[in-house]
Amino acid sequence: AQSVSQHNHHVILSEAASLELGCNYSYGGTVNLFWYVQYPGQHLQLLLKYFSGDPLVKGIKGFEAEFIKSKFSFNLRKPSVQWSDTAEYFCAVTLAGNNRKLIWGLGTSLAVNP
Amino acid sequence: SQTIHQWPATLVQPVGSPLSLECTVEGTSNPNLYWYRQAAGRGLQLLFYSVGIGQISSEVPQNLSASRPQDRQFILSSKKLLLSDSGFYLCAWRDKWGGEQFFGPGTRLTVL
Repeated sequence: AQSVSQHNHHVILSEAASLELGCNYSYGGTVNLFWYVQYPGQHLQLLLKYFSGDPLVKGIKGFEAEFIKSKFSFNLRKPSVQWSDTAEYFCAVTLAGNNRKLIWGLGTSLAVNP
Repeated sequence: SQTIHQWPATLVQPVGSPLSLECTVEGTSNPNLYWYRQAAGRGLQLLFYSVGIGQISSEVPQNLSASRPQDRQFILSSKKLLLSDSGFYLCAWRDKWGGEQFFGPGTRLTVL
């Protein structure tokens, strides 16, 4: 069955540290990829997405993600985190052309200490 | 611009009571609509989705049902709540041609 795996369930960083959150998926076909973020008490919102083209995509608030097709990965990165990045991060995947449903990872809880 | 509303924001219900959660979308037409349940450490579980009025697809057999009586209204229901129905319920919408989903603020349901 198709699945999305997020390797880190809980991450604790100090401000200015670099961040990389792993995401791997198990689909064999062409995919669309997403990272969502849920700040405490707020809506789930889109950070960035990949449909096609440049595999390095940039999102809001300085986040970026790289799609590596050979590794079935879509890791999220930020060079220097801030306390305001404390949130839960979700990776999601859908098959291109059959994008009614997203398959979600279990999420990574990030805590950034000031 | 498009907005999505969910109510109520929080709900406490006794076991065996009925449930009705409502989701409405503004600023778009004929969206795909979704109901999810979010549990801590378990990600988002898709419960139902709808591609049009009266069209409901169920993802997980359970004590819940969904209906779409109008184009931009999506309702999650139960005739008799179970303790295991407690959780955080999210509604989402997506354009027919867009890939990303947009989420509502959610409803926190506690069944006692």
